[in-house]
Amino acid sequence: EVQLVESGGGLVQPGGSLRLSCATSGFTFRTYDMSWVRQAPGKGLEWVSTSSGSGDNTYYADSVKGRFAISRDISKDTVYLQMNSLRAEDTAVYYCAKRGMIRGLDYYDYWGQGKLVTVSS
Amino acid sequence: AIQLTQSPSSLSASVGDRVTITCRASQGINSALAWYQQKPGKPPQLLIFDASSLESGVPSRFSGSGSGTDFTLTISSLQPEDFATYYCQQFKSYPKTFGQGTRLEIK
Repeated sequence: EVQLVESGGGLVQPGGSLRLSCATSGFTFRTYDMSWVRQAPGKGLEWVSTSSGSGDNTYYADSVKGRFAISRDISKDTVYLQMNSLRAEDTAVYYCAKRGMIRGLDYYDYWGQGKLVTVSS
Repeated sequence: AIQLTQSPSSLSASVGDRVTITCRASQGINSALAWYQQKPGKPPQLLIFDASSLESGVPSRFSGSGSGTDFTLTISSLQPEDFATYYCQQFKSYPKTFGQGTRLEIK
């Protein structure tokens, strides 16, 4: 059974840093791209970042480029999102998501339960 | 960046109704589109990928169609558990943008 379990959310002051973790199980972690998607309170979904299976390729939304960094630890089957220089507008529930099983097609078939990050003084 | 525009933004319907939600891309994305359902306090759940492929375990009353710039999600006969918010997402290029969502409410 595929499982994605996020941790590390919480309250942080503007300008501060936070690291989210997404521990995975039930699939061959190094084979699949992993992504982060966020949702501000009462708002829609926003793609944030993607790491290729190997971790060699990373992609970011313009809104977080230069401030956030995605990484993965293959020995722990875990993907991370390091968030620096946090702003009030980064307040959101952050979800990790796994790329789908069918080779050659791109979609997110499993999602974590989400972690709330609140940026406020 | 490719923009996705969903319509309508909200919709009221009754159990048993047939409902169609539209997603229009600002440029051609072939069939690189997925649809998700989200209920309050829960993560999104995949319904459709590759524009028209039904995810395993998803009821057959859900279907997707379209290619290029115009896509639709159809629910053939609404069930009580279908009242939720629906999102499309494109996978043609980064950033992997979402539509703004369509909230489906009970009439």
